Amino acid sequence: DSGVTQTPKHLITATGQRVTLRCSPRSGDLSVYWYQQSLDQGLQFLIQYYNGEERAKGNILERFSAQQFPDLHSELNLSSLELGDSALYFCASSVGGALSYEQYFGPGTRLTVT
Amino acid sequence: ILNVEQSPQSLHVQEGDSTNFTCSFPSSNFYALHWYRWETAKSPEALFVMTLNGDEKKKGRISATLNTKEGYSYLYIKGSQPEDSATYLCALQGGSARQLTFGSGTQLTVLP
Repeated sequence: DSGVTQTPKHLITATGQRVTLRCSPRSGDLSVYWYQQSLDQGLQFLIQYYNGEERAKGNILERFSAQQFPDLHSELNLSSLELGDSALYFCASSVGGALSYEQYFGPGTRLTVT
Repeated sequence: ILNVEQSPQSLHVQEGDSTNFTCSFPSSNFYALHWYRWETAKSPEALFVMTLNGDEKKKGRISATLNTKEGYSYLYIKGSQPEDSATYLCALQGGSARQLTFGSGTQLTVLP
């Protein structure tokens, strides 16, 4: 158990809908990363937050957004969903800071868009 | 942009065999190299983090080496067991967020 939790585990929704994925980092970790694992691609970095502030964006679509709250949990919002958004979404956390290497992954949320 | 390639894509070995896989990268411009073990329906589990050329790490029957000059890392499993069956992911850590750029993984199946 990495100490990172994600809810829900599975989500099935229709095209055009909006969903919210939730992540709670390990106790003490300030940094949260979101990654997407699609069928035809490896794990891709979407976005990072550190202590409530957005730090970097990767391959994140404009229809997607995220935030990190004062209690450090994070939410990834996916809107106007398309079939191609079906994927496994992982959250990872790390201590953050210059000497931070390890990222600890949650169990993921499997999103199916029908 | 960090480029990470892993080979082979998949591998079947017999229980007791030793095996190794490769992670290659064209540039040494990264912060750290990570190996993860990922079983279906579970979280990717961190195995090793390596930062320096010549780094060698070991955990039980699994070990890893890093050669930044020639652009590769090897993961070795000695005496494979069925419970070693998983996908092994290599990732380079870099960028302003120190985000991970993953390879496509090597899927290992250990046959009893």
